[in-house]
Amino acid sequence: AIWMTQSPSLLSASTGDRVTISCRMSQGISSYLAWYQQKPGKAPELLIYAASTLQSGVPSRFSGSGSGTDFTLTISCLQSEDFATYYCQQYYSFPWTFGQGTKVEIK
Amino acid sequence: EVQLVESGGGLVQPGGSLRLSCAASGFTFSSYWMSWVRQAPGKGLEWVANIKQDGSEKYYVDSVKGRFTISRDNAKNSLYLQMNSLRAEDTAVYYCARDWYASYYDYWGQGTLVTVSS
Repeated sequence: AIWMTQSPSLLSASTGDRVTISCRMSQGISSYLAWYQQKPGKAPELLIYAASTLQSGVPSRFSGSGSGTDFTLTISCLQSEDFATYYCQQYYSFPWTFGQGTKVEIK
Repeated sequence: EVQLVESGGGLVQPGGSLRLSCAASGFTFSSYWMSWVRQAPGKGLEWVANIKQDGSEKYYVDSVKGRFTISRDNAKNSLYLQMNSLRAEDTAVYYCARDWYASYYDYWGQGTLVTVSS
C-alpha cells in the first residue's frame, strides 16, 4: 500500500491568509491525487482531482500542485467558510488511501 | 441533481450482520463505478470497497475481505454493502460515493452510522 503523510495536522489561520497543506507519498503516483474538504457532521466534498484540476463549482482561491511524491493544496485567501478539515487521496494503486487530514481552524 | 441516500445503519453486536443500502438518483447509475468509504468517530477517511458499472469487478480493503460484500442493482439504482462478522473496529459512518471510473469520488451521500457494540 502507498503511505501518505499529510502536514500539518492542525493549521491555525486568519481570514484572508494564504495557507498551504502538504501531502507526501511513499512512492511516486504521477498526478493521481485528489483533495477533499469536510465540514463537521457533513460528507466530504471534492475540491481538486488529477493533482491540479479544480472540480466544477469550487472557488478559484483553491489550487493544487505537484506530481510524483509531493503535492500541495493552497487556499489563496482564506474565507470563513473554508475552516474545515482537508484530505488528500491517491488513486494510483489499490487500495486507494487518504491522508490523515489537516484541520484548518480560526487563529 | 445527483443524490445519494444511504440507509440501514444502526447498533449491532459484535459478530452480527448489517446490510447498508444507497439509493442513487440524478445520474445514469449504471454508467459509474460506486464505492463505500467509512470514517470512524473522530478519525480520517478509509476506502472500504468499490464495484464496477456491471458488477463484474469488486475490490475490498484487506480489513474487510471475506466479511463484507459490495453489490449493486442497476435496475433499482441501488448500491449495497452486506457486512458480516462485524467487529468493534468497523464502527464508523459509512458513505456511499460515486466513483469516477475507479479513481476519485465526485459525489457523496450523507452517510449512515454503524455502531458495533455489546
